[in-house]
Amino acid sequence: DQQVKQNSPSLSVQEGRISILNCDYTNSMFDYFLWYKKYPAEGPTFLISISSIKDKNEDGRFTVFLNKSAKHLSLHIVPSQPGDSAVYFCAAILLQGAQKLVFGQGTRLTINP
Amino acid sequence: SAVISQKPSRDICQRGTSLTIQCQVDSQVTMMFWYRQQPGQSLTLIATANQGSEATYESGFVIDKFPISRPNLTFSTLTVSNMSPEDSSIYLCSARGAGDTQYFGPGTRLTVL
Repeated sequence: DQQVKQNSPSLSVQEGRISILNCDYTNSMFDYFLWYKKYPAEGPTFLISISSIKDKNEDGRFTVFLNKSAKHLSLHIVPSQPGDSAVYFCAAILLQGAQKLVFGQGTRLTINP
Repeated sequence: SAVISQKPSRDICQRGTSLTIQCQVDSQVTMMFWYRQQPGQSLTLIATANQGSEATYESGFVIDKFPISRPNLTFSTLTVSNMSPEDSSIYLCSARGAGDTQYFGPGTRLTVL
């Protein structure tokens, strides 16, 4: 049972444009969401997070939007830069209980010059 | 944020042998975790490393195969025992401190021949 889904395995965006990465989840009890960026041969790097009580969080070029009614979150990167090319994972967590991160399958973002 | 280091960064091992991976966090953390990322896959939680007690394993992972130690609040080890080629993977240490953000180490790339 895949509780967190990233339905797009890959995304290609032109440099300078907006990159939008999407994530859907099935468990309405998740109360915290995180985005990670991963380069090959490195560990995931934390990017940005959002609590379930908010609908938007912004940090520089990165903005995460949460739509609880749709059980959907998205990561916007603007403007996209070549260094943003990586695999992006969304993750969700239940802060009560076991507090285990549940990851999506990842989306490979390629920024084209 | 927590800075996490892992040793070794990579290793090539023979079938039937065991490898112990070390994880060091630069600050005391409440929770430590071990993940595995197989080629082309998402991150899979192996276990939660509990300080002073036995680790909590996820379904499909057992202590005999993946013994874990956590002697204090900043250090943990994961042993991959009696290795087979199917154990070839990236093993990642992760930690969460006082906040809700979870950080990852750089990973250990294991190849079993």
